[in-house]
Amino acid sequence: DAGVIQSPRHEVTEMGQEVTLRCKPISGHDYLFWYRQTMMRGLELLIYFNNNVPIDDSGMPEDRFSAKMPNASFSTLKIQPSEPRDSAVYFCASTSSVLGNTEAFFGQGTRLTVV
Amino acid sequence: AQSVTQLGSHVSVSEGALVLLRCNYSSSVPPYLFWYVQYPNQGLQLLLKYTTGATLVKGINGFEAEFKKSETSFHLTKPSAHMSDAAEYFCAVSGGSGNTPLVFGKGTRLSVIA
Repeated sequence: DAGVIQSPRHEVTEMGQEVTLRCKPISGHDYLFWYRQTMMRGLELLIYFNNNVPIDDSGMPEDRFSAKMPNASFSTLKIQPSEPRDSAVYFCASTSSVLGNTEAFFGQGTRLTVV
Repeated sequence: AQSVTQLGSHVSVSEGALVLLRCNYSSSVPPYLFWYVQYPNQGLQLLLKYTTGATLVKGINGFEAEFKKSETSFHLTKPSAHMSDAAEYFCAVSGGSGNTPLVFGKGTRLSVIA
């Protein structure tokens, strides 16, 4: 398996622009997590899905952030409008309850820079 | 609710010396505990995990960790550091299943000096 695939790997955008981050989980995994990593706050959970349904979005910082999972093989995290303080590395991870996984498998991350 | 405290944001050791990275957790349910490693500009890779059973767990690259319930600790060790071990290490806890989200510590950067 190719693992969790995130795109783009790097994104530079201007303040006020819309940014969309993409994630393809490992095939067959039924849980998907979005994390944000910053120097100040470390790794924070933003939102997670089970069978494409959002379970907990309490970590989403504000209404500018939204996440969707239209099907089992694709998820997006959108920021509109973006702000410089959104600059961070965003990770997607997936796991399988059916396979009895106990750990999450992470993608390579998307480094977002908002200028 | 779960939380993780990693003591020391930066640890520096000489090549060949013992590596000890400290992790203490808090959990209201029997925890699952994990150590992940992150190399520069890479994602997180699982080093090892404790779920149930034997409290001393061995992972990849010669690392091991011991779950001590009485001390709420899960410290990571390696007998002899190698230059390639230089990376960021994260301890994480989840609430007793693979389906609850991981809660991470702030991370410890390990430097290995030749």
